[in-house]
Amino acid sequence: AQSVTQPDIHITVSEGASLELRCNYSYGATPYLFWYVQSPGQGLQLLLKYFSGDTLVQGIKGFEAEFKRSQSSFNLRKPSVHWSDAAEYFCAVGNQGGKLIFGQGTELSVKP
Amino acid sequence: NAGVTQTPKFQVLKTGQSMTLQCAQDMNHNSMYWYRQDPGMGLRLIYYSASEGTTDKGEVPNGYNVSRLNKREFSLRLESAAPSQTSVYFCASSESLLGYNEQFFGPGTRLTVL
Repeated sequence: AQSVTQPDIHITVSEGASLELRCNYSYGATPYLFWYVQSPGQGLQLLLKYFSGDTLVQGIKGFEAEFKRSQSSFNLRKPSVHWSDAAEYFCAVGNQGGKLIFGQGTELSVKP
Repeated sequence: NAGVTQTPKFQVLKTGQSMTLQCAQDMNHNSMYWYRQDPGMGLRLIYYSASEGTTDKGEVPNGYNVSRLNKREFSLRLESAAPSQTSVYFCASSESLLGYNEQFFGPGTRLTVL
């Protein structure tokens, strides 16, 4: 069965520090992978996606993610976090039927 | 363009009451979705519509019905609300059901069932 695991429920980083949010997936074929961000009280916004080609993908707001097939991972990174990055982050895998399977989410807090 | 819009933003119901959540998109997308978001569980698919005139069950369809009114609109109905349906509901749309298509989300409806 397809599944997505985000091992970290909550992460706190200092402003200016680097960030890595972990995502592991279980999917039989080549996955379509997404990272979404949800600011408090808002809907979800796409940060980036991977479905083929270069395994390092760039997204909006300075985020990037690397697809590692051998580790079934698609971790999200940012070199320097800003206070406005505080939000909840969701990793998702899209299957051939177009449905998204979401992870449980990681809440990011940013210390000044 | 407004993208995906949802009404209402907030709603409080008593157990047994019914209501319909409205969703509309102006991106000429073929596919639309309804999700619920509960703490620690991410988003779970309730129903989806691949194209106008079709609807299918998702992961958690019990207690809900949907109508794809036209290409723009996709509504979610709770016939007899239960406290277990207290949640935040998101509507989304995408160009098609192909797995690599980005889904665009509305701002959500926060529903409380007492």
